[in-house]
Amino acid sequence: QVQLQESGPGLVKPSETLSLTCTVSNGSISSYAWSWIRQPPGKGLEWIGYITDSGNSNYNPSLKSRVTISLDTSKNQFSVKLNSVTAADTAVYYCAKGRGFSYGMWFDSWGLGTLVTVSS
Amino acid sequence: YELSQPPSVSVSPGQTATITCSADALARQYTNWYRQKPGQAPVLVIHKDTERPSGIPERFSGSSSGTTVTLTINGVQAEDEADYYCQSADTSVGDRDVVFGGGTKLTVL
Repeated sequence: QVQLQESGPGLVKPSETLSLTCTVSNGSISSYAWSWIRQPPGKGLEWIGYITDSGNSNYNPSLKSRVTISLDTSKNQFSVKLNSVTAADTAVYYCAKGRGFSYGMWFDSWGLGTLVTVSS
Repeated sequence: YELSQPPSVSVSPGQTATITCSADALARQYTNWYRQKPGQAPVLVIHKDTERPSGIPERFSGSSSGTTVTLTINGVQAEDEADYYCQSADTSVGDRDVVFGGGTKLTVL
């Protein structure tokens, strides 16, 4: 069973860039699609974007101008950068493995999540 | 493309819980369901409308009719109390934009 682990700063200042990395173990990142999903405190899930094993990416239209997801196959990691953050970006950020790309996509493995707070 | 879920559903132990997810588009992609307990990451319980991943109890099932999909939990147990989210993908613009429903809080009375 593949395992995912998020890492990165838990506190980011407003207007700065949020950067998180997801390390994948017990499986290769050179297959499937890899996604970031977030959840503001007390609210629902929001998809941020994904990157495929071939390096193609797609982002939530509401975040597209501020987000970049990248893949590092040599380290079996993928990362997300979200710039110009505000308090509204405070959330638990999850990385997840996506399958069934031909059928839309579902997420069968998730990291534990990491809380990122945007505050000065 | 939006997915609509009831905010809450309540059921007594041993009864059947049904949670609906309605899409606003006639052309609906496959829908998936996740269970999320407090402080934990979501867990996939149904994918491709009706398929149950290994390790998920048989009391969880999914069905679809038109633009509405339904998660059914037969013989609800106390441990099933959680938030449930449906998820699909909007492919109308040529790529796959992932969409989540707003979530349904299942309370076991």
